[in-house]
Amino acid sequence: DTGVSQNPRHKITKRGQNVTFRCDPISEHNRLYWYRQTLGQGPEFLTYFQNEAQLEKSRLLSDRFSAERPKGSFSTLEIQRTEQGDSAMYLCASSHERGSDTQYFGPGTRLTVL
Amino acid sequence: QKEVEQNSGPLSVPEGAIASLNCTYSDRGSQSFFWYRQYSGKSPELIMFIYSNGDKEDGRFTAQLNKASQYVSLLIRDSQPSDSATYLCAGRGGGADGLTFGKGTHLIIQP
Repeated sequence: DTGVSQNPRHKITKRGQNVTFRCDPISEHNRLYWYRQTLGQGPEFLTYFQNEAQLEKSRLLSDRFSAERPKGSFSTLEIQRTEQGDSAMYLCASSHERGSDTQYFGPGTRLTVL
Repeated sequence: QKEVEQNSGPLSVPEGAIASLNCTYSDRGSQSFFWYRQYSGKSPELIMFIYSNGDKEDGRFTAQLNKASQYVSLLIRDSQPSDSATYLCAGRGGGADGLTFGKGTHLIIQP
């Protein structure tokens, strides 16, 4: 499978706990994006990496959220002290800066905060 | 603030007819536009992108862009029941930044 992969696919946690999600982009893609999607809404941009550099962060990304891409390959998104409002689908996408720079999405991680 | 607007629907179209999905955007700096299809509980799947004024065709799909009117559309010819999904319109600015999505239009193809 050469597409974007995300793990875990589902995560249920209690309010106040920390969670971490992983995204593995398409192998030749140097750009990686995180989005959040809630029911009935389109995906909302959270943050973006080009190689290992985090180049953009949305104002939606509170201090409880942190993302890393240490070697320019896979990325992690951590949410600290989860709140019920964090319940959503967290989507990762990747692209390559050459060509159309089209973003391809992974299957997502569905987070439920109880 | 960048905004992309779509009619949430549902838009109901008989099988075999043309489905027309529309989108408007507020940021005149937006350079390229993307249509994604999303089935319930699944992630968005790219249908096509467009960045030049005019029409772009790919199989049964045609994307149309009018930058002067800040309007993007997607036509689906010979609609099939499997086309029933939510269609997301997204725009991107001149830099390599994240996509701004609309809320999506729920399309139902009636057999």
